[in-house]
Amino acid sequence: DAGVTQSPTHLIKTRGQQVTLRCSPISGHKSVSWYQQVLGQGPQFIFQYYEKEERGRGNFPDRFSARQFPNYSSELNVNALLLGDSALYLCASSLFQGTNYGYTFGSGTRLTVV
Amino acid sequence: DQQVKQNSPSLSVQEGRISILNCDYTNSMFDYFLWYKKYPAEGPTFLISISSIKDKNEDGRFTVFLNKSAKHLSLHIVPSQPGDSAVYFCAARGSGSARQLTFGSGTQLTVLP
Repeated sequence: DAGVTQSPTHLIKTRGQQVTLRCSPISGHKSVSWYQQVLGQGPQFIFQYYEKEERGRGNFPDRFSARQFPNYSSELNVNALLLGDSALYLCASSLFQGTNYGYTFGSGTRLTVV
Repeated sequence: DQQVKQNSPSLSVQEGRISILNCDYTNSMFDYFLWYKKYPAEGPTFLISISSIKDKNEDGRFTVFLNKSAKHLSLHIVPSQPGDSAVYFCAARGSGSARQLTFGSGTQLTVLP
């Protein structure tokens, strides 16, 4: 049974470039959330999508955007990359919007901006 | 402003003894609290959760205690095993529409054989 899959695993980009990260949730899961984890800190909420609609947004600039597709997979886009965007980007899925048993996280995409 | 705080960046415990990881929060509107474990190069793995209306939840070797008046929760691991060595994150779930999680900064637990 496949878990949450994220691609690519690692990515190196130059300042000012744009990046797209991808996430496939667990089969049957309709909610996808994105988190950013900077080194030495806990994950920080970026977006949540449920049934293809944005249901929540964290305190991130408009350079960050996301969408969810009919098959419930999701993409996170970041424009005009800054050095401070270097982080581990985590995708989490759940059956419903907000489960009491926690979200299932993928292994993340390590983004390095140089 | 950090709404969820884990004040101990690291903790070392002898195998077989109890590990106690602590977490403090400031927002009274959180409705669920969760603990995650994270190994290097992996995503966080859900361990155990507790509703804000409970004061204790137990699952095998893991017990979470919630003290609402002190806005404090703790995770007890008994007995600790070397495989428990990982970073442990405390997270709190918001009661808004997104039900997003607010994480603490994590505690690195090392269980010594």
